[in-house]
Amino acid sequence: NAGVTQTPKFQVLKTGQSMTLQCAQDMNHNSMYWYRQDPGMGLRLIYYSASEGTTDKGEVPNGYNVSRLNKREFSLRLESAAPSQTSVYFCASSEYNSYTGELFFGEGSRLTVL
Amino acid sequence: RKEVEQDPGPFNVPEGATVAFNCTYSNSASQSFFWYRQDCRKEPKLLMSVYSSGNEDGRFTAQLNRASQYISLLIRDSKLSDSATYLCVVIHSGTYKYIFGTGTRLKVLA
Repeated sequence: NAGVTQTPKFQVLKTGQSMTLQCAQDMNHNSMYWYRQDPGMGLRLIYYSASEGTTDKGEVPNGYNVSRLNKREFSLRLESAAPSQTSVYFCASSEYNSYTGELFFGEGSRLTVL
Repeated sequence: RKEVEQDPGPFNVPEGATVAFNCTYSNSASQSFFWYRQDCRKEPKLLMSVYSSGNEDGRFTAQLNRASQYISLLIRDSKLSDSATYLCVVIHSGTYKYIFGTGTRLKVLA
């Protein structure tokens, strides 16, 4: 049972470098999400994709871009990494309706920007 | 001010105690509500949905107060294994945005 798979699990970057976090889900969910989690801040929504072909900004989109490549895959790109982007990044997916809508998360990607 | 707020804790309680957490939300258009649990260095997982009439799942009871814009989680007969961070989540009507609170940390002591 793969569920939501994120890669890489760990990454160290230098300021100004770029990288892409990959996320794939095998549950045929329509909606996919990228969050970041910092100490004392809970999870903050970066971008989400309600369905294939659409993407929307969340609470903290600055410095990031996303691509919904197909129904399964949703990638997050840092074009020019900054130390403030040091965080744990979680990808999630759901088949949302107003009564259930459980979010399924990947295991997280720990990014350090030096 | 964050849209969904929680007391960060930590709440340190002895085994067998009853503990309650509150979560307040500022957007009156919030439609759906959930409690998630997150263990240290792990991903969050759904604990329970919160329905308008309130709902119970074993030792856990969730309540929603739309007039005062808060949700609550009550844990009875706390176990050591309940030690975790509890996150409340709201979804706005007409959107697919899951907005998380900052989380409340619970430590159940032997």
